[in-house]
Amino acid sequence: SAVISQKPSRDICQRGTSLTIQCQVDSQVTMMFWYRQQPGQSLTLIATANQGSEATYESGFVIDKFPISRPNLTFSTLTVSNMSPEDSSIYLCSVGTSGRNEQFFGPGTRLTVL
Amino acid sequence: AQSVAQPEDQVNVAEGNPLTVKCTYSVSGNPYLFWYVQYPNRGLQFLLKYITGDNLVKGSYGFEAEFNKSQTSFHLKKPSALVSDSALYFCAVSLGASGGGADGLTFGKGTHLIIQP
Repeated sequence: SAVISQKPSRDICQRGTSLTIQCQVDSQVTMMFWYRQQPGQSLTLIATANQGSEATYESGFVIDKFPISRPNLTFSTLTVSNMSPEDSSIYLCSVGTSGRNEQFFGPGTRLTVL
Repeated sequence: AQSVAQPEDQVNVAEGNPLTVKCTYSVSGNPYLFWYVQYPNRGLQFLLKYITGDNLVKGSYGFEAEFNKSQTSFHLKKPSALVSDSALYFCAVSLGASGGGADGLTFGKGTHLIIQP
């Protein structure tokens, strides 16, 4: 399985600011995904990060709020913009390879917005 | 739209007894089904998957799951529970249109499994 790291592991931010979360994989992968896990809740898919094209967002999530970059096959970033306390969550990236039928998750970034 | 239901918020089992964590799904096509486990302050770990073939799939740590198409279920099971199995378990589904690894997952709300010594 792929080794996935995320930075930062946690952060406390002020309302109205932005935070960029990095996801690094130790091997090239086809697909990278970003999920949100709100306190005590399940995981919700935010978007699929496509290499060389714009990310594909799920219903309820927009690019202005969650801009994503995918400059190569091993790296992606998610920015949480103009944060409010409702954005306090764990943000996880995951990776998958077409045909492998498995998806592996990073350790997550625990974000608290005050 | 696809969805996953985990009807139990919490399952309590005595150590050494068999355990079952329930999951039902709804998709408009052939599902790819997964179980993940989340330990406190740790990431999500892959347990097992059903893509096609044998309805009983075996995974990590002695867990297995049975795919039942007629009941649209994918219950997680283990013959003999360990205290260390105590964690939060998530069932997930994708349509697998591009191969399960290339599709975002829809997760159930999770089930807390508590194994009592």
